[in-house]
Amino acid sequence: GDSVTQMEGPVTLSEEAFLTINCTYTATGYPSLFWYVQYPGEGLQLLLKATKADDKGSNKGFEATYRKETTSFHLEKGSVQVSDSAVYFCALGNTGNQFYFGTGTSLTVIP
Amino acid sequence: DTEVTQTPKHLVMGMTNKKSLKCEQHMGHRAMYWYKQKAKKPPELMFVYSYEKLSINESVPSRFSPECPNSSLLNLHLHALQPEDSALYLCASSQTTSGIYEQYFGPGTRLTVT
Repeated sequence: GDSVTQMEGPVTLSEEAFLTINCTYTATGYPSLFWYVQYPGEGLQLLLKATKADDKGSNKGFEATYRKETTSFHLEKGSVQVSDSAVYFCALGNTGNQFYFGTGTSLTVIP
Repeated sequence: DTEVTQTPKHLVMGMTNKKSLKCEQHMGHRAMYWYKQKAKKPPELMFVYSYEKLSINESVPSRFSPECPNSSLLNLHLHALQPEDSALYLCASSQTTSGIYEQYFGPGTRLTVT
């Protein structure tokens, strides 16, 4: 069945450091891939998406590329800020718009 | 506007109480979802409504009863809950379930069962 495997956390970085959160998937058909962010006490916010192989999603300095050959969708940001501290979820959407979420990666950015 | 609203924000209820959670969206979406999220875990799908009809029930206990009165509203009726049902309940919506579309989430209702 469809599934998402996400890098274990927590991750702690200094401000302006480079961020990578790994995400790999298993799926049938032609899924879309998403990154969501959840700030403390809030719901999930869509960060970026990619709908087909080689697509790059980007938003607020975050990027992820849909790599079919490695079944990956790693999240990157060149310079993190304290305000980026949150939990990040990788998700796969497939037939019937069913979503499969990774376990989440908690990021803390220290000044 | 990509907003999904949920009320109440917090709810404390006893095991014999009956309460309801409410979700609303005005994006014209025809698919709405209920998820349950425990601390430090990803959301778990409970129910999916498509065009106001229940299309998926992920074997959720009958003490949770969903209702979709119209295309903008989604309710979750709660009765005789257990302490282990304490969690963040998230509502989401998407354009439809025919295809793959981003889901937009509300802020959630933090439920505590005493």
